[in-house]
Amino acid sequence: QVQLQESGPGLVKPSETLSLTCNVPNGSISSYFWSWIRQPPGKGLEWIGFVFYRGATTYNPSLKSRVTISLDASKNQFSLRLSFVTAADTAVYYCVASEREFDYWGQGTLVTVSS
Amino acid sequence: SAELTQDPAVSVALGQTVRITCRGDSLRNYFATWYQQRPGQTPVVVMYGQNYRPSGIPDRFSGSSSGNTASLTITGAQAEDEADYYCNSRDSNGNLWVFGGGTKLTVL
Repeated sequence: QVQLQESGPGLVKPSETLSLTCNVPNGSISSYFWSWIRQPPGKGLEWIGFVFYRGATTYNPSLKSRVTISLDASKNQFSLRLSFVTAADTAVYYCVASEREFDYWGQGTLVTVSS
Repeated sequence: SAELTQDPAVSVALGQTVRITCRGDSLRNYFATWYQQRPGQTPVVVMYGQNYRPSGIPDRFSGSSSGNTASLTITGAQAEDEADYYCNSRDSNGNLWVFGGGTKLTVL
């Protein structure tokens, strides 16, 4: 079992940048690929993108112009940055580790976009 | 197409069988993965690949696929199966991931 924990501000102002970090178990960063998935309140799941151990990334085309996912193996962390946020970006954001599927999920963190 | 379509809601009587479906062009080339999300909880994989259940998932869950449709079947539904179910797969090019809109299963 892989324990993941998201961290970051729970409130972001419109037009600003949402930044979240996910701490991963020590030594596991090269064993999985790492994703961010979000879920607006009362709605379904949306895949945001993922990063591989060597830094290659793939993003959801609908968010690609605003998203950056990065990985810092030295800190056992991977991160999400989403720029120019609007109320539509209000959601629970999950960090996820994958061996094959989206296997291990963090508890999720609610980020609200509001002034 | 990168879209996966699910029925928004399905209901089943306790102990009966229910099928939850997911439709999309990419399913002709890629298997679906099914996630169960109980209220207030994080999603959990219940079915993946051709018809594989992760350890700990009851054998009343089974999966199948035909053409552009993937199905999750629960044989003898239990009260604890009441949840939202999401299908997930790659897009037709295999480079991106997409979720279906989810199906809310009610066990009566």
